[in-house]
Formats: sequence, C-alpha cells, structure tokens
Amino acid sequence: DAKTTQPTSMDCAEGRAANLPCNHSTISGNEYVYWYRQIHSQGPQYIIHGLKNNETNEMASLIITEDRKSSTLILPHATLRDTAVYYCIVRPSNTGKLIFGQGTTLQVKP
Amino acid sequence: DSGVTQTPKHLITATGQRVTLRCSPRSGDLSVYWYQQSLDQGLQFLIQYYNGEERAKGNILERFSAQQFPDLHSELNLSSLELGDSALYFCASSGGPPETQYFGPGTRLLVL
Repeated sequence: DAKTTQPTSMDCAEGRAANLPCNHSTISGNEYVYWYRQIHSQGPQYIIHGLKNNETNEMASLIITEDRKSSTLILPHATLRDTAVYYCIVRPSNTGKLIFGQGTTLQVKP
Repeated sequence: DSGVTQTPKHLITATGQRVTLRCSPRSGDLSVYWYQQSLDQGLQFLIQYYNGEERAKGNILERFSAQQFPDLHSELNLSSLELGDSALYFCASSGGPPETQYFGPGTRLLVL
C-alpha cells in the first residue's frame, strides 16, 4: 500500500545532477516526504526529508511542489557510489513505520 | 555507519528451527523497528518498540516475536522456520516515532 509512484529505473552520467521524481498525489497535510537509498543489500540509508519547504543537506536537495503532490530528489554531482535503489516514502507525523515501495534504481555511468 | 548494530551478520539454519536476531539502537534512541526484505516482497515493516513497549505491528507472522529490553536493545525471534523466511532482516532506530529512522546493516538469514 505504498502511497508513492516512482520510475522503475534511471540512468545518470557521472558528475551530472541526478533528478529523481516521485509522485505522491494523495499526500495529507501531516505527512512527510522521506527519501532513503539502499546500496546493494546494505541497510537503507537516510538521505533527506521534508514537509512543505525545499530542503538541502550535504547529500542532496529535496524539491517539493507547492501542492505537495510530487517531489524531486536532486543529487547535485552524481558519482558511481550513488548507484543504488532510491525510495520515496510518505510518512504521517504521528507514526513511525515506513512503507517502502519498489523505488527507483539509479545507475550512475562513467 | 548509522550507529545501529545488528548481530549476527549471516545466519544459516534448517527448516523448523528457531533463531534470535539482535539489534542495538543508536545511543539515546528509544524506538526500535524491525523490517524484513525478501526478493518477492521488498522491504516490509514488521514491528516497532518504544522504550520497552510494543508500539505498532505490521506484517509480522505469529511465528515471529520481538522484545525490547531495559537497556533498549531488541531481539527478533523467528521460530518454526520455513524456506520462505529466508530474507534480510533490518533493524532501525529513532529517538521517537516521529523522528528519522536509521537502519542497521542487517542480518541475512538463509533457511535450508
């Protein structure tokens, strides 16, 4: 019952920006947008999250549309080590569990 | 390194057996979550504990149980194991339910 839609796969050239889209058209006012990634079979790694405003940290930027129905994760300068499955998750503020969908497999190519 | 530790890293056992997976949360985190990742089901939430008490349940089988101890570490017990229980089991921790979860490296369970 994932509440997000992501492309199955994307390619990106090394050194270029990777823009990963996510659709969450049924998002509610108290739900956050979270992004995690999973490299091979390692534990999911937290990237960034946001509610309404755009957010930036040392790893990435998160752009949320004004109507909050979609968002884009931006990796500004992708490297080969950014090859991973990226999960966009919508999570209510009053619950802890994360519902993972299938995610987007990002392949960064030399 | 997320600060969440899980042991063992790998576990091989036979059908019908029982195993215990252990998780130590990040220092100061009160919430522990367990997730299962199998090839056909993806990452699925199993159960959450907060400061020793069960807080939420997901798709956890009756053969599985968990607990969180006073020192906040958690154990996931899997019994009467079946081939289909082969999967990666991840533990995550957070300061509390609304806060960001950080995942451990996982335990890979293989049931033969």
